[in-house]
Amino acid sequence: AQSVAQPEDQVNVAEGNPLTVKCTYSVSGNPYLFWYVQYPNRGLQFLLKYITGDNLVKGSYGFEAEFNKSQTSFHLKKPSALVSDSALYFCAVRDGAGTYKYIFGTGTRLKVLA
Amino acid sequence: NAGVTQTPKFQVLKTGQSMTLQCAQDMNHEYMSWYRQDPGMGLRLIHYSVGAGITDQGEVPNGYNVSRSTTEDFPLRLLSAAPSQTSVYFCASSYVGQRNNEQFFGPGTRLTVL
Repeated sequence: AQSVAQPEDQVNVAEGNPLTVKCTYSVSGNPYLFWYVQYPNRGLQFLLKYITGDNLVKGSYGFEAEFNKSQTSFHLKKPSALVSDSALYFCAVRDGAGTYKYIFGTGTRLKVLA
Repeated sequence: NAGVTQTPKFQVLKTGQSMTLQCAQDMNHEYMSWYRQDPGMGLRLIHYSVGAGITDQGEVPNGYNVSRSTTEDFPLRLLSAAPSQTSVYFCASSYVGQRNNEQFFGPGTRLTVL
């Protein structure tokens, strides 16, 4: 069965510092991995994805993520955090060879402190 | 493009009542899905569809019905509302396949069942 774990409910980081939001996954086939962001009272917005190819993927708003097959991880990173990055972040996975069932993590609230 | 639209934005039901949450997209996406978002639970997939006339169950399908008679519309029906169905509901759509498969989310429907 597919699963996604986001081990941190909340991450606090000072503005200008690098940030990391962690995600680990489990699928039986090749993973399709996604990060989405949710601002208050809004729907989710796509940030970036890994399907195949380079392990380091770059996305919107300066975010990037590294796919690590051996550690089954897909951590979200940004070199320099902004206060406006404060939001709820979700990791999601789908088995690329399986059904179209997407599994989302429980979310990590990022708080960037001025 | 309007993207993904959902109606209503807010709804209060009494236990046992039925209703339909509407979802429409104008991007000609094959894939459409319904999620519910509950605190501490992340997003959980209720039902999904990979094209008109095709639907399948997600993680939490009980108490909900869907149909997909057109590419654009994917309504979610609550047959007999229960307090456990109090949640925020999101509809999403995307292309299928490896490319351009990131999901676009609607603004959500906040449902309270008394």
